[in-house]
Amino acid sequence: DIVMTQSPDSLAVSLGERATINCKSGQSLLYSSNNKDHLAWYQQKPGQPPKLLFYWASTRESGVPDRFSGSGSGADFTLTISSLQVEDVAIYYCQQYYSPPYTFGQGTRLEIK
Amino acid sequence: QVQLQQSGPGLVKPSQTLSLTCAISGDSVSANTVAWNWLRQSPSRGLEWLGRTYYRSKWFYDYAVSVKSRMTINPDTSKNQFSLQLNSVTPEDTAIYYCARVSPAFDVWGQGTVVTVSS
Repeated sequence: DIVMTQSPDSLAVSLGERATINCKSGQSLLYSSNNKDHLAWYQQKPGQPPKLLFYWASTRESGVPDRFSGSGSGADFTLTISSLQVEDVAIYYCQQYYSPPYTFGQGTRLEIK
Repeated sequence: QVQLQQSGPGLVKPSQTLSLTCAISGDSVSANTVAWNWLRQSPSRGLEWLGRTYYRSKWFYDYAVSVKSRMTINPDTSKNQFSLQLNSVTPEDTAIYYCARVSPAFDVWGQGTVVTVSS
């Protein structure tokens, strides 16, 4: 199984400031046949299922604000929120879909400082 | 707009079978560009993918090793839905269960079903 490791486990950021969450996979997620990284990011708020933010590491899902960005390739990836808003308080997960079993990171809890 | 509606009991006795259904609207269970999945979430195991089914001229199935011997996913084209059966449940199977579509990541989710395994 591909192990996904996120850092930090929790993060407190002031409103309007930048938040950065890292994700490292146990192997490269770059698929040679399509030259794409099979990595997704999700946001989960209490009582709700996870919501897809990015796929192919940096392709923003429709409706996701552009203060969110995804970057990275291979085995190292980053989710950045450029200017934290109150509604961004949530747990964020990275997930690989390179090969089953699909695996998730342990999650990063983002709070307001 | 694709929506997934989950149904099934929230309480299952140990050693019995957990059965959940995911009804699809706005897409087809036999669409040949997507896959239909079951996942669960618990404090001890985090988000855990359990298995999937998809149609590519015939039906395919994949299961996580942790549940492979106990789990079955059944697509139902007449009702446009798919189901989960997990046999011989134990308290360790207590979790929130989700169905989700993959296209190419988990882009549509069911609302979740809280399942408790207890006598």
